[in-house]
Amino acid sequence: DSGVTQTPKHLITATGQRVTLRCSPRSGDLSVYWYQQSLDQGLQFLIQYYNGEERAKGNILERFSAQQFPDLHSELNLSSLELGDSALYFCASSARSYDYGYTFGSGTRLTVV
Amino acid sequence: AQTVTQSQPEMSVQEAETVTLSCTYDTSESDYYLFWYKQPPSRQMILVIRQEAYKQQNATENRFSVNFQKAAKSFSLKISDSQLGDAAMYFCALDGGATNKLIFGTGTLLAVQP
Repeated sequence: DSGVTQTPKHLITATGQRVTLRCSPRSGDLSVYWYQQSLDQGLQFLIQYYNGEERAKGNILERFSAQQFPDLHSELNLSSLELGDSALYFCASSARSYDYGYTFGSGTRLTVV
Repeated sequence: AQTVTQSQPEMSVQEAETVTLSCTYDTSESDYYLFWYKQPPSRQMILVIRQEAYKQQNATENRFSVNFQKAAKSFSLKISDSQLGDAAMYFCALDGGATNKLIFGTGTLLAVQP
């Protein structure tokens, strides 16, 4: 157990639907990062939050949004889902915004049918 | 822009032998960090080793060591005494410090032959 908890582990949904992925960071970590890993692809950075504020944004689609709550857990919302959104979504956390230590959760596998 | 390149999509090694995975990167930052992550079939991302750019000494973690060539922007991973459990996808990653994100290469799939 890495200390970063992601739920659910698996999610199957239909095109056009909306889903929410949840991440609880490791205790004490203020930063949360979201990554997308499509089949046979590397990890693409989506977005980072630090202590409730958006800190950096990557190749995140407008249909996707995220937030970090006062208790530091984060949610990634994916809407108007398309088949191409099927992927493994990872959350990672670190202690400080510029900390070089990242701990990854076990991921949420999203399948859009 | 910061980039990470892994030019070996697949590698194979015999059990107990040594293998080296290559990685090159590009960044304009003076202070940055480099990582190797392992992703086994379970898809969990596991940190193997990390290197601070300001440190000249190469990082070592048990059977894993790196060859960090800062001027050449090269960061290779050496796995000694390879074990069956080392079979996985290995990702090289760069944290440019001020960029607030970890940039990954495309990965090298390592097979370990018994």
